[in-house]
Amino acid sequence: GAGVSQTPSNKVTEKGKYVELRCDPISGHTALYWYRQSLGQGPEFLIYFQGTGAADDSGLPNDRFFAVRPEGSVSTLKIQRTERGDSAVYLCASSARTGFNEQFFGPGTRLTVL
Amino acid sequence: GQNIDQPTEMTATEGAIVQINCTYQTSGFNGLFWYQQHAGEAPTFLSYNVLDGLEEKGRFSSFLSRSKGYSYLLLKELQMKDSASYLCAVRPSGGSYIPTFGRGTSLIVHP
Repeated sequence: GAGVSQTPSNKVTEKGKYVELRCDPISGHTALYWYRQSLGQGPEFLIYFQGTGAADDSGLPNDRFFAVRPEGSVSTLKIQRTERGDSAVYLCASSARTGFNEQFFGPGTRLTVL
Repeated sequence: GQNIDQPTEMTATEGAIVQINCTYQTSGFNGLFWYQQHAGEAPTFLSYNVLDGLEEKGRFSSFLSRSKGYSYLLLKELQMKDSASYLCAVRPSGGSYIPTFGRGTSLIVHP
């Protein structure tokens, strides 16, 4: 079956621009997570959805970051007024239940802000 | 909060055994995960421990001691394809139960 997919695989943008990153979780998985991973670091939690609602957004670094999951499946991470420090790999993961099951990760979107 | 510590890098020889340690300090504990991540790829699940002891799965085993805040991942009969980063992640006992990841241990297997 299909795993978690993310698009685009690579995104290069200029400082100050707006970007959207998409995640398509495994069908039937109710929990969806966004992480950010910098080189040589582990994934850093950003936000978690249970169904359509953001159950925990404590990891979002500031109000330039926002995410939605309107129909409880596909999610979009939105970054406004991008900064060079936002450059990282953005990973999406899904699980059948909140945290109690293994997380299945997508291949990530590599964001580069020039 | 949670603090997770792993060695940054380890090297080993093909065919050998290697042990990757993970220590953690958490305000609550409800399980520990190990993930493998090849360069440029997504993390993939290896193991999950919630009770003390050793869990064996083929060439890979994972050990947990909750009283010591300590886990290790044991890789036997190392193969070149085992060269990857190994991530330890701890799930808290409250809140959203979102696992927190360590920075990972980069394992280099050489002939």
